[in-house]
Amino acid sequence: QKEVEQNSGPLSVPEGAIASLNCTYSDRGSQSFFWYRQYSGKSPELIMFIYSNGDKEDGRFTAQLNKASQYVSLLIRDSQPSDSATYLCAVKFNYQLIWGAGTKLIIKP
Amino acid sequence: EAEVAQSPRYKITEKSQAVAFWCDPISGHATLYWYRQILGQGPELLVQFQDESVVDDSQLPKDRFSAERLKGVDSTLKIQPAELGDSAMYLCASRGASGRAEQYFGPGTRLTVT
Repeated sequence: QKEVEQNSGPLSVPEGAIASLNCTYSDRGSQSFFWYRQYSGKSPELIMFIYSNGDKEDGRFTAQLNKASQYVSLLIRDSQPSDSATYLCAVKFNYQLIWGAGTKLIIKP
Repeated sequence: EAEVAQSPRYKITEKSQAVAFWCDPISGHATLYWYRQILGQGPELLVQFQDESVVDDSQLPKDRFSAERLKGVDSTLKIQPAELGDSAMYLCASRGASGRAEQYFGPGTRLTVT
């Protein structure tokens, strides 16, 4: 059974601080990892993907991948109230994405 | 910017009625997915198409759900008869060229069965 685990939260972070979201996965052979943002009542929006060990930065977002420890994380710098959403981690296994249940992030002004 | 289109955005139906959802993927995307998402959970794959062929429908409740993508472009997901437990968000996503794994979602259809 391929699994992706996330803390459901909510994770509360002050505005301007760094938000750190974590995800662990069970399949050591997974090669592709994705972070989606989902606002309440809306569909998931792809914000980051990472394929190689290490860090990948895009604006205020940094994805970190550690295949040896089987975790992937998302850092959001200078958090804004508009970052308040549920963040879904997805891991590619064969031709499918295995999804976590998401972490609810709340940015407090 | 290219987007996945879905309709309707909202649907309220009575149990035992039939309901259908439509999806038009990003132009040129050969792979199309239908997901169901219940509040507080991640998306659950219902069916995956590669062009007009079904690649995976192992989680599709085939006694009541059907999906088709006749010309390999747009797709329809049908439920007949609808049950109370079918109330959820139905999401369509598409993926581009072979070797790219990123999926892009449409706005979804919120189904309420009464």
